[in-house]
Amino acid sequence: DGGITQSPKYLFRKEGQNVTLSCEQNLNHDAMYWYRQDPGQGLRLIYYSQIVNDFQKGDIAEGYSVSREKKESFPLTVTSAQKNPTAFYLCASKPPGQGYGYTFGSGTRLTVV
Amino acid sequence: SQQGEEDPQALSIQEGENATMNCSYKTSINNLQWYRQNSGRGLVHLILIRSNEREKHSGRLRVTLDTSKKSSSLLITASRAADTASYFCATHPNTGNQFYFGTGTSLTVIP
Repeated sequence: DGGITQSPKYLFRKEGQNVTLSCEQNLNHDAMYWYRQDPGQGLRLIYYSQIVNDFQKGDIAEGYSVSREKKESFPLTVTSAQKNPTAFYLCASKPPGQGYGYTFGSGTRLTVV
Repeated sequence: SQQGEEDPQALSIQEGENATMNCSYKTSINNLQWYRQNSGRGLVHLILIRSNEREKHSGRLRVTLDTSKKSSSLLITASRAADTASYFCATHPNTGNQFYFGTGTSLTVIP
């Protein structure tokens, strides 16, 4: 079955560490997205990529970095510059065109310890 | 902010009743979508309604869109305990490549 796989499901980060969240899709979608979800604030866009080797900042990109070397993969690195990284991170992909919704992964819960 | 806002924030109903939740937004849109999220999971796409459509049905779901009022509603008929989840609207503006999500409505269906 086609879908999006996020790993790990739970991740713990020490202060000052960088951590990388994995997102892989086998849907052949060009566009991929990373969202952050905090309680009561809905989803906020971190980064998105419309095509391989290209990506754009979303509304809250500071303290995060991404790469898009392959169509199937869009990893997100949470750097030590992100001061409040504890959150639920969601990866999504979408086919081209404006008549389609996102397919989401099951999320990664990141906690700073 | 271009986020939509759902209303109410929380809704509790008995199984078999209908559930209605609303979404208001600020900018002109190409389409509006509704998603469901079970606790601790990813979002699942439910239905998309384009700006030139006024109503759309999918099974027990009915979505309406009023672009003059910049609002949409999601009706779930004959609710079931399995419908318990958070529901989010997402708007796709006429310009740009991203969707904007609201803060969600938490629905509890009591068996």
